[in-house]
Amino acid sequence: EIVLTQSPGTLSLSPGERATLSCRASQSVTSTFLAWYQQKPGQAPRLLIYGVSTRASGIPDRFSGSGSGTDFTLTISRLEPEDFAVYYCQQDGYLFGPGTKVDI
Amino acid sequence: EVHLVESGGGLVQPGGSLRLSCAASGFTFSHYWMTWVRQVPGKGLEWVASIENDVSKKHYVDSVKGRFTISRDNDKNSLHLQMNSLRADDTAVYFCGTSRVPGAYDVWGQGTMITVS
Repeated sequence: EIVLTQSPGTLSLSPGERATLSCRASQSVTSTFLAWYQQKPGQAPRLLIYGVSTRASGIPDRFSGSGSGTDFTLTISRLEPEDFAVYYCQQDGYLFGPGTKVDI
Repeated sequence: EVHLVESGGGLVQPGGSLRLSCAASGFTFSHYWMTWVRQVPGKGLEWVASIENDVSKKHYVDSVKGRFTISRDNDKNSLHLQMNSLRADDTAVYFCGTSRVPGAYDVWGQGTMITVS
């Protein structure tokens, strides 16, 4: 059974800085169905990236995804105030990682 | 505009049953996989169940197999989750979502709270 691990648990940054979030699978992911979601308190998840690196509709280009095998990365090039939230990776449309909180 | 609206949440005693519904609008419902995901307040997301667009295949997390049943009515653009033998650890906000992109869920409802107590 594959387990997803996200690091760090919390990332403390300032607006304008670059955020690099990691998602690691316990076994090599053969499919390209790796997605990233953003969630703010009291809200539903919001799809940011699917297929490892494709931005979902309406997602700004400061969000980018990369990776393969067991290691995947979400990068936010320059943090905007609205980007402070929890980010989850998901594999194959079912398994979620535990999340990374990006706070100020 | 694409919308998903959950209903049916509430307070139920352990061992009881509840049926959640998710009403879809603004897209061709019958074309896409649908899912239920839950979240204990303050905790992470947990995938619960998914149903393929043609209804034939259903997928469940191990902890709900035999207790929960996902179904859909493509004529009524609705998704359901029948939850039986509910336990305290089923307490969570339940979100429905649709997969209009490969391997991910791009539209979500606002969630409905289930409390088993």
